[in-house]
Amino acid sequence: QVHLVESGGGLVKPGGSLRLSCEVSGFIFSDWYMTWIRQTPGKGLEWVSYITSRSEIIYYAESVKGRFTISRDNAKNSLYLQMNSLRAEDTAVYYCARVMGVLDGFDIWGQGTAVTVSS
Amino acid sequence: QSILTQPPSVSGTPGQRVTISCSGGRSNVGSGTVNWYQQLPGTAPKLLLYSTNQRPSGVPDRFSGSKSGTSASLAISGLQSEDEADYHCAAWDDSLNAYVFGPGTKVTVL
Repeated sequence: QVHLVESGGGLVKPGGSLRLSCEVSGFIFSDWYMTWIRQTPGKGLEWVSYITSRSEIIYYAESVKGRFTISRDNAKNSLYLQMNSLRAEDTAVYYCARVMGVLDGFDIWGQGTAVTVSS
Repeated sequence: QSILTQPPSVSGTPGQRVTISCSGGRSNVGSGTVNWYQQLPGTAPKLLLYSTNQRPSGVPDRFSGSKSGTSASLAISGLQSEDEADYHCAAWDDSLNAYVFGPGTKVTVL
């Protein structure tokens, strides 16, 4: 069975850092592109970042560029999101998801991990 | 302000057909395919349609998608109570080099 499990969320002060992890199972992780998406409470979805299977190509949303870093370890079947210089507006539930094709949609999602940025 | 626009809500009675619009521009909806996600309350989003009109395995054929120019639509035929959810459209934007979501549409079954 295909599973994505996020971890690493929590409460952090403005300006602080967090590292999110997404551990996957049930498919050959190294064959798939991956992505992070976030959702603010009561609001819509916002795409955060995207990484190809061997990390050759990485994209970021303008709102996180220069502060967040996506990475992956194919040997560990894991995806990461290093978040620095956190702001209140980064408060959200963060989801990792598997990418179909190049960008044909995100077909498998984790359950999400909550990040709260507050003093 | 979302780059893709959707109506905040639509409603219908069981068995009815409802449609949700998703309006974008030449650099996103107009230049590629559209994906639709269904989000039931308290759960993670689920891919409902990809490549504008393709259903992943397990998605009922009551759900269909189309696109014309810079607008796309999701249609739900034979509306059922379990279809009450938020529906988000999304597409890659060539100008922004970013994947953009619409604000979501809440479907209510009366």
